[in-house]
Amino acid sequence: EAGVAQSPRYKIIEKRQSVAFWCNPISGHATLYWYQQILGQGPKLLIQFQNNGVVDDSQLPKDRFSAERLKGVDSTLKIQPAKLEDSAVYLCASSLLFGGISYEQYFGPGTRLTVT
Amino acid sequence: QKEVEQDPGPLSVPEGAIVSLNCTYSNSAFQYFMWYRQYSRKGPELLMYTYSSGNKEDGRFTAQVDKSSKYISLFIRDSQPSDSATYLCAMSEGQGGSEKLVFGKGTKLTVNP
Repeated sequence: EAGVAQSPRYKIIEKRQSVAFWCNPISGHATLYWYQQILGQGPKLLIQFQNNGVVDDSQLPKDRFSAERLKGVDSTLKIQPAKLEDSAVYLCASSLLFGGISYEQYFGPGTRLTVT
Repeated sequence: QKEVEQDPGPLSVPEGAIVSLNCTYSNSAFQYFMWYRQYSRKGPELLMYTYSSGNKEDGRFTAQVDKSSKYISLFIRDSQPSDSATYLCAMSEGQGGSEKLVFGKGTKLTVNP
């Protein structure tokens, strides 16, 4: 079974530039998550999709971050404009939805973003 | 007070030692408790998954949950150099509440040969 794919793996940008990350979840997984992991911290949920609908985006800084999941499969996360404090690893995860419950989350390798 | 507290370490032990990792939490609505292992420059992978209080064992790993004390533990027996990683505790309210995972900061473990 192929895992969660993310690209790019690394990205360096200057502050005020924009950047986009892509995620392809495990086939058949209805729930998709984007997390931000700052160095030395645990992952923090930014947004959760169930199919192509948003379940939880309460911790997404909506003035600069946006995410979409077209056709309930792939997802993109965008930051525009980036700030220095956005430097982090952005993790995508997916889980199977069964009986209305999302089960074990499988994580991708992450995209390491450095904002200079 | 943070929702989930975890000592970041680092923790260094000799091969074969018993390792104890712990987290405390403040949200009494948490029902699902997980331990993830994260190798350097990789995504977290699920190690153990426990519902409510009690113990769960899987090979060299034992997870304990004490809801009355809001305290969870992960024990690793006969630790190996391949166990060197960051261990993250995570919790959620689950069905009927928020499914959002709340993570601790992670404890960095090094097992020396």
